[in-house]
Amino acid sequence: AQSVTQPDIHITVSEGASLELRCNYSYGATPYLFWYVQSPGQGLQLLLKYFSGDTLVQGIKGFEAEFKRSQSSFNLRKPSVHWSDAAEYFCAVGARMDSSYKLIFGSGTRLLVRP
Amino acid sequence: GAGVSQTPSNKVTEKGKYVELRCDPISGHTALYWYRQSLGQGPEFLIYFQGTGAADDSGLPNDRFFAVRPEGSVSTLKIQRTERGDSAVYLCASSLTGGGSNRYEQYFGPGTRLTVT
Repeated sequence: AQSVTQPDIHITVSEGASLELRCNYSYGATPYLFWYVQSPGQGLQLLLKYFSGDTLVQGIKGFEAEFKRSQSSFNLRKPSVHWSDAAEYFCAVGARMDSSYKLIFGSGTRLLVRP
Repeated sequence: GAGVSQTPSNKVTEKGKYVELRCDPISGHTALYWYRQSLGQGPEFLIYFQGTGAADDSGLPNDRFFAVRPEGSVSTLKIQRTERGDSAVYLCASSLTGGGSNRYEQYFGPGTRLTVT
């Protein structure tokens, strides 16, 4: 069965520091992969997506992610974190089976930003 | 343009009561999804509509949960005989159809926080 693991429940970084959030997936073929961000009281906002092609994908707000098939990973990165990036981040995989287009989410990583 | 909207934003109900949660998708999006997010967890899929019909309802936890989309736009998630374990944020999302990858690019509403006392 498809699954997503986000091993870090919380991560704290200083403002201006670089960031990497980890995501590992379980899927038999080339997956569709996503990162979403959720601010308090807000819905999920799509940061970036990977369907095929270039394994380094650029998203909004200066985020990027790299698909590594050999490691079954899709880690999210940002070179310099801003205080407004503090939020919960979710990695998801598209469940490509039968007639379903559901997303399977990890349990999330909460990002805290130190001033 | 307008995003996905959900009403109410918050709903408090007593155990055993019936509730309805509404979702208004992005105009032109024919695919609609419901997810449930429990505290400290990622969203979990409930049901997917293509047009008026439920194409995948495998995530509905039991027969107390039901959803409709009678005109292929607005959808209502209905929960009968609510239980305290139903307390969660219920998220709605919509997407375009056509090419396979489009349906996975889902746009989420702000959610309805349901509290069952």
